[in-house]
Amino acid sequence: DAKTTQPDSMESTEGETVHLPCSHATISGNEYIYWYRQVPLQGPEYVTHGLQQNTTNSMAFLAIASDRKSSTLILPHVSLRDAAVYHCILRAQGTGSKLSFGKGAKLTVSP
Amino acid sequence: EAAVTQSPRNKVTVTGGNVTLSCRQTNSHNYMYWYRQDTGHGLRLIHYSYGAGNLQIGDVPDGYKATRTTQEDFFLLLELASPSQTSLYFCASSDVRNTLYFGAGTRLSVL
Repeated sequence: DAKTTQPDSMESTEGETVHLPCSHATISGNEYIYWYRQVPLQGPEYVTHGLQQNTTNSMAFLAIASDRKSSTLILPHVSLRDAAVYHCILRAQGTGSKLSFGKGAKLTVSP
Repeated sequence: EAAVTQSPRNKVTVTGGNVTLSCRQTNSHNYMYWYRQDTGHGLRLIHYSYGAGNLQIGDVPDGYKATRTTQEDFFLLLELASPSQTSLYFCASSDVRNTLYFGAGTRLSVL
């Protein structure tokens, strides 16, 4: 899996919209961008994923740059429950290959 | 919602001890994974499997064996446990879309 770069941490306040950036300059054409989040003492939770088009679900909006070398996970109106470590990962679809996680970006949400 | 069950949730053993961590998924997923998580390292992949009888080496396999006995069951074996293997262990499974579903984790302490 190709490498991604995220900030170590970000801070926000409840109710704000948070933009979590991820850089993946060497992404391959068949690699999807996955986002997971993890709260302490629990396993990571799937958030969203995309290939080229922006995607949205109940949890977040994923904005993918036109050259696919970067993406941004947008969390609208964050609450304290959104505080977690967010992982941006690349993975080729259908390969079933190993999926390695980095340290991710720690999001802190203040009341 | 995909279900991945790990047992035990907590385990304490002594150096040189023999430990087996169990993971069962009931979602007919082909792929299963074992990760360890330590402060400052994020999630690190130990072993993974494509299906019953298959085993693939991850990024940090030393000191660990694994066995996939059925599609549902994936075991991680520590035959001579060492204090360096004190960690939080996560099992995960994934479907053909490569979305991972994680178990609740097993906390292992090697004294």
